[in-house]
Amino acid sequence: GQQLNQSPQSMFIQEGEDVSMNCTSSSIFNTWLWYKQDPGEGPVLLIALYKAGELTSNGRLTAQFGITRKDSFLNISASIPSDVGIYFCAGLNYGGSQGNLIFGKGTKLSVKP
Amino acid sequence: DADVTQTPRNRITKTGKRIMLECSQTKGHDRMYWYRQDPGLGLRLIYYSFDVKDINKGEISDGYSVSRQAQAKFSLSLESAIPNQTALYFCATSDRGSFGYTFGSGTRLTVV
Repeated sequence: GQQLNQSPQSMFIQEGEDVSMNCTSSSIFNTWLWYKQDPGEGPVLLIALYKAGELTSNGRLTAQFGITRKDSFLNISASIPSDVGIYFCAGLNYGGSQGNLIFGKGTKLSVKP
Repeated sequence: DADVTQTPRNRITKTGKRIMLECSQTKGHDRMYWYRQDPGLGLRLIYYSFDVKDINKGEISDGYSVSRQAQAKFSLSLESAIPNQTALYFCATSDRGSFGYTFGSGTRLTVV
């Protein structure tokens, strides 16, 4: 089935640093989503991307939908301790019998104050 | 109150026992999902339902069953729990016209 390769698996950074993570796939997706999971909670939607080439920001977060529709990246600028958590990318195709999100395995972010 | 409520939040059960995890939502969404999260494996879909009369298997449905009792309620059952079903389980909902899922806070299940 379809798979998303998310990297890196984990990151340890200093407060104030910028962060970059990405997701790639051998399949084309029509929608890319980025979620964040705080410790002990369910994932929460951060950014949704609907068009190839789209660049969208949400505060210090910026995400892009790759031109090929097979990849997406998420950047976090000037990281702070509350950025700690697991970040998931997710892709969706409109067609097919499922129309469900496919999730990457997540990037675990740790921030040192 | 949370939009998507999962009960219990934590549960320890013995091998071979039947256990039910419950999910209820106040968002009025048609679609509901059950996911399993294991460290390093991300979120894997167990079952999903697009409306009350619709139930579909996901990627890892073996050993699980579901019931969509109402639009707002979707429960997951482990017929005979085994230790490798120890995991964090999430319920999620989505609207037909939207692609963003709303997740519950999860149920941490331990099978001993």
